[in-house]
Amino acid sequence: GDSVTQMEGPVTLSEEAFLTINCTYTATGYPSLFWYVQYPGEGLQLLLKATKADDKGSNKGFEATYRKETTSFHLEKGSVQVSDSAVYFCALRVVTSGTYKYIFGTGTRLKVLA
Amino acid sequence: ETGVTQSPTHLIKTRGQQVTLRCSSQSGHNTVSWYQQALGQGPQFIFQYYREEENGRGNFPPRFSGLQFPNYSSELNVNALELDDSALYLCASSSILPVGEETQYFGPGTRLLVL
Repeated sequence: GDSVTQMEGPVTLSEEAFLTINCTYTATGYPSLFWYVQYPGEGLQLLLKATKADDKGSNKGFEATYRKETTSFHLEKGSVQVSDSAVYFCALRVVTSGTYKYIFGTGTRLKVLA
Repeated sequence: ETGVTQSPTHLIKTRGQQVTLRCSSQSGHNTVSWYQQALGQGPQFIFQYYREEENGRGNFPPRFSGLQFPNYSSELNVNALELDDSALYLCASSSILPVGEETQYFGPGTRLLVL
C-alpha cells in the first residue's frame, strides 16, 4: 500500500548547520509530495510541495526535490536557525478514481541549539 | 482572509459517549479534510468532503462520520468513543480545483481526551 517513511528524530543541530531530513515513499500512480511543519501546540503549516517528478519545492530557505527514480523527497536547508525547531512531516497525496487520499510520515523533530 | 478555525479547542469525554467537532474552512475553499493525530505520530487521514459529499476515506470505522454544510464548514462525529480515540483532531481546508493543485491549510486542532 501507499506509505511514507521519514528518518527518526530527534535531530539536534547547532545554529547555522546544514539540515537534511530524509523522506521516501511508496505509492501507486503519480503522487504529489509535501512537507509540513508543526510548532508546539499548533496545527500543521504547509512548508513546500512538488506535484511531479524533478520539481523542486522551496520556501523560507528550505528545499526538496521530487526524485521519482529513488522515490524520495528529502528536505534540506543550508543554515538552520533556532526558530526552525519544530516537527517536520513528509506527506503524499494520491488520487484514485477522483477521490483523494493523504498519507503522512510519523514526523521528525528538529532541535536547533544556539 | 480568515484561516481555518476549529472548535472546541479541548474536550474531555468518557468511553461510550458521542462527540461532535466543528471546522470552518478558509475563505474561498470548498473542500474539508479531517485527520486524527495521536501523540507523537503523524496525522492519519479520516475522510474528505467536497460539495457536501464524502470524497475519500482512510481506514477508520463507520462510527467516524462527517458532514459538510452549504457554507463549506464541516463536522466530525465520533460515536461510541474508545480510549484510543484520544488524539488531536485536525481539520484542513482546500480548493479542489484546479485538479492536482490542491493544497491543504490546517486549523489548530481539537484535543480530545477519552476517559
